[in-house]
Amino acid sequence: DVKVTQSSRYLVKRTGEKVFLECVQDMDHENMFWYRQDPGLGLRLIYFSYDVKMKEKGDIPEGYSVSREKKERFSLILESASTNQTSMYLCASSDGRPQHFGDGTRLSIL
Amino acid sequence: GQQVMQIPQYQHVQEGEDFTTYCNSSTTLSNIQWYKQRPGGHPVFLIQLVKSGEVKKQKRLTFQFGEAKKNSSLHITATQTTDVGTYFCAVNAGNNRKLIWGLGTSLAVNP
Repeated sequence: DVKVTQSSRYLVKRTGEKVFLECVQDMDHENMFWYRQDPGLGLRLIYFSYDVKMKEKGDIPEGYSVSREKKERFSLILESASTNQTSMYLCASSDGRPQHFGDGTRLSIL
Repeated sequence: GQQVMQIPQYQHVQEGEDFTTYCNSSTTLSNIQWYKQRPGGHPVFLIQLVKSGEVKKQKRLTFQFGEAKKNSSLHITATQTTDVGTYFCAVNAGNNRKLIWGLGTSLAVNP
């Protein structure tokens, strides 16, 4: 079974902090994704990566950056956290077929 | 850009009633995927449909892909409380690397 692991289930940070969300997958998938999920807005793609050091912007990249130095790890970075980035963050991986999700990180920015 | 419209947004049923959610696209789709997200959980892949007019069943769940490959439906027969959650459809974007997601249908089931 594919395992996608997100580093934290719950996280509380302060406005202006630099925040790192980590995601690791164990299936050697090429593609990895970061989404945020807010009530009524579904899943919105922030960034995705299709190879090491490769990344593409999703629908809502503003205020975020990503890093993929190794194939199994995809990091989401909030450069200067703001309250409107309080959300559920979901990481996913795929080999071109179905996406497999981690359990999510519920991030609160105070 | 490409969009997928999913309806209804919410559905509240009595246990034992049927439930259907629909996804519609203005463009022809190469395939469509369906996911289920339980409350407090993450989306879990259910099925992928590829062929025009395709019908697939998983126990009480029936998935259909339209003849024109522009719409799809998920039907649940005789809902149970275990069916509670949000059902999403998703389609491949042009480059096949990312998915375009419907907004989901949240299903509540009264026991």
